[in-house]
Amino acid sequence: GAVVSQHPSWVICKSGTSVKIECRSLDFQATTMFWYRQFPKQSLMLMATSNEGSKATYEQGVEKDKFLINHASLTLSTLTVTSAHPEDSSFYICSARRVINQPQHFGDGTRLSIL
Amino acid sequence: GESVGLHLPTLSVQEGDNSIINCAYSNSASDYFIWYKQESGKGPQFIIDIRSNMDKRQGQRVTVLLNKTVKHLSLQIAATQPGDSAVYFCAENSQRGGADGLTFGKGTHLIIQP
Repeated sequence: GAVVSQHPSWVICKSGTSVKIECRSLDFQATTMFWYRQFPKQSLMLMATSNEGSKATYEQGVEKDKFLINHASLTLSTLTVTSAHPEDSSFYICSARRVINQPQHFGDGTRLSIL
Repeated sequence: GESVGLHLPTLSVQEGDNSIINCAYSNSASDYFIWYKQESGKGPQFIIDIRSNMDKRQGQRVTVLLNKTVKHLSLQIAATQPGDSAVYFCAENSQRGGADGLTFGKGTHLIIQP
């Protein structure tokens, strides 16, 4: 169990476009979902934490108006990169967790390329 | 600031040998640690976790050791196989106010020699 699905897996779009990424927990209910960003050959950096039905908590330096997060149900969170620019190109990965102090389970990421 | 880091960026081992991947952490208040495996183009895959009230935990072919005195964490993989090739990250559950995502170390790339 503990399968997390992320969609789409790859996005290429023009500068100025807004892109929505979905994260679903397929076989469990996730009270908390997380969004990370990973640059090539680097580690994962936490962007934001979202609890179902609440506003997301963003890490320092992450623009909340740029990266919109919605967590409307216990199985779905979305990340929208608004007015994306080439510097937003990265690998975005979500994770989901049942309860606190339990492992986070990760999706397979979304590779975003902005031209 | 406090962070979780790794001692070696790349580790090369012979197939069949045991692998030991190390991790140093600096947040003495950390109480939960996880090891993840990440294959190219995929998300991290949970391997094993350990809480600060334990020194050792074993799974299938893997063992995690926690030394709180020197703030050191290690992952031991027994009888390393080609499928073990990946980047391994240690992660610390960093609870800060309402946010409690994971702080990841830099990662160790494990290479299996035939």
